Amino acid sequence: DVKVTQSSRYLVKRTGEKVFLECVQDMDHENMFWYRQDPGLGLRLIYFSYDVKMKEKGDIPEGYSVSREKKERFSLILESASTNQTSMYLCASSLPGRDTEAFFGQGTRLTVV
Amino acid sequence: KQEVTQIPAALSVPEGENLVLNCSFTDSAIYNLQWFRQDPGKGLTSLLLIQSSQREQTSGRLNASLDKSSGRSTLYIAASQPGDSATYLCASNNAGNMLTFGGGTRLMVKP
Repeated sequence: DVKVTQSSRYLVKRTGEKVFLECVQDMDHENMFWYRQDPGLGLRLIYFSYDVKMKEKGDIPEGYSVSREKKERFSLILESASTNQTSMYLCASSLPGRDTEAFFGQGTRLTVV
Repeated sequence: KQEVTQIPAALSVPEGENLVLNCSFTDSAIYNLQWFRQDPGKGLTSLLLIQSSQREQTSGRLNASLDKSSGRSTLYIAASQPGDSATYLCASNNAGNMLTFGGGTRLMVKP
């Protein structure tokens, strides 16, 4: 089974802190994604990556950056956390191609106080 | 830009009922459509993926259909059980494996 593991289930950080959310997948997937999920707004794509060292902006990249130094690991970085970044963050991975399935991690609930 | 809508937003049924969850999308040029389950506070579990060339997919008590021409997909759950209670999300893949999600249907199956 594909496994996508996010480093933390719950995080509480202070406003202005630099926050790292880590995601690791064990199936050699090229594609990796970061989404955030908010009540009433659903899931929205923040950033994605099709390969090592490659990154592309999604729909809501403001206030975030990403790093992909190794194929299996995709990190989401909040440069200076703000209260409006309190959310559920979900990482996903998939193979390239038209008919590939996306697999998600268990989510990280981030609270910024 | 693709828009995905799920109706109803919430559904409560007695145990044993067969039920249908609806998903509609505005851009029919999809690569595939995927159905997920999400339990409260948890991540997404993939249930079924329907390729653009397929009409339906089945897994156990679940059957998902796809009609690209009308921009609709349905998830049929047979003989519902309390353990089926969760939020069900559909997502279209239009390009680059980036998913556009519907708002979800929150299902409660009462014993």
